[in-house]
Amino acid sequence: GQQVMQIPQYQHVQEGEDFTTYCNSSTTLSNIQWYKQRPGGHPVFLIQLVKSGEVKKQKRLTFQFGEAKKNSSLHITATQTTDVGTYFCAAMNYGGSQGNLIFGKGTKLSVKP
Amino acid sequence: DGGITQSPKYLFRKEGQNVTLSCEQNLNHDAMYWYRQDPGQGLRLIYYSQIVNDFQKGDIAEGYSVSREKKESFPLTVTSAQKNPTAFYLCASSIMKNQPQHFGDGTRLSIL
Repeated sequence: GQQVMQIPQYQHVQEGEDFTTYCNSSTTLSNIQWYKQRPGGHPVFLIQLVKSGEVKKQKRLTFQFGEAKKNSSLHITATQTTDVGTYFCAAMNYGGSQGNLIFGKGTKLSVKP
Repeated sequence: DGGITQSPKYLFRKEGQNVTLSCEQNLNHDAMYWYRQDPGQGLRLIYYSQIVNDFQKGDIAEGYSVSREKKESFPLTVTSAQKNPTAFYLCASSIMKNQPQHFGDGTRLSIL
């Protein structure tokens, strides 16, 4: 079945450093969604990417969807302690309208002040 | 204030006991989902429902049951057949299937 691989599993950074998490699939994706889960909290939707090569920004967060629609990345510039949490990607196979969103295992970000 | 409410926040189950987790939403969403989250794991889909009186199994439905008698409500029963029920259970909803999901605060289930 479809798998969505997220790397790295963990990332420890110093406050002010940049952070990137990657989401990869062996199959072409219809779209990809990104969520953030704070420690002890629930996932919160951040953004959805649909178009090949799409780039979207939310303040210090930059989201990209690969040209081949098989991978995506989330980049945080100058991390802050408020960025702490686990970032998940969720994706669906291209043409898979009957399928379900598959969540990656997430990248857990810790930020040292 | 619209949202999803899960209750209880913490739940303890005895051996051989069925327990039911509540999930209510007032977002007027058609689709609702139940996920299980284990430490270091992503979200695994248990059941989902696209419309009232209809639901489908997800990847790990064994030992669980659901109902969708009302649009607002999607309760999950963890049956005694589920041998490893200790986990964090998350309910979510979306306007339509596979659209961005809103999550509840979750229920932590433990075995006594």
